[in-house]
Amino acid sequence: GQQLNQSPQSMFIQEGEDVSMNCTSSSIFNTWLWYKQDPGEGPVLLIALYKAGELTSNGRLTAQFGITRKDSFLNISASIPSDVGIYFCAGQFLGEAYKYIFGTGTRLKVLA
Amino acid sequence: DGGITQSPKYLFRKEGQNVTLSCEQNLNHDAMYWYRQDPGQGLRLIYYSQIVNDFQKGDIAEGYSVSREKKESFPLTVTSAQKNPTAFYLCASSSRGTGNSPLHFGNGTRLTVT
Repeated sequence: GQQLNQSPQSMFIQEGEDVSMNCTSSSIFNTWLWYKQDPGEGPVLLIALYKAGELTSNGRLTAQFGITRKDSFLNISASIPSDVGIYFCAGQFLGEAYKYIFGTGTRLKVLA
Repeated sequence: DGGITQSPKYLFRKEGQNVTLSCEQNLNHDAMYWYRQDPGQGLRLIYYSQIVNDFQKGDIAEGYSVSREKKESFPLTVTSAQKNPTAFYLCASSSRGTGNSPLHFGNGTRLTVT
């Protein structure tokens, strides 16, 4: 099946540092979604993006929908220990409303 | 609070047995989905349903079955025909399955088959 290219696969950062991760695809998407998943739990929606070029924030999180519609990035500013988890992106195809493609995730560890 | 409830959280079964995973939502969402999550892989779609009494196969439907008799409920049966059923299963819903309707997930069921 199709998957998005998400990078980096994992990150170890110091508390207080900023974090950046991104997803790229060869396909054009209508929607980009960013989720956080804690171990053994379901993914929680962080940010949803619906327009090319859109920049949206949710607290310390900022995400952007790439101009080409084929990429998106997520930034976390001033990381804290509870930011630890797996972050993954999802793209929804233009014209295929029920089809979402998921990245393989970025595992974030924050060192206090 | 509205949300998606999956039960049970953990499920253990012997090989050869069918098992049904429950998913209930009170978000009044039309569309519901079942995904499978394996380590190091993105979520893979098993089945989805846009409306009551209608559902479509996803990318990995073999060995699974679903029903959608009520808007709120979308149970998944893992049959004995599924060759590698041990996984983390996630149920999700969206308001219409159109643009501007992100997926919302339940907390998952971890199935272990021995």
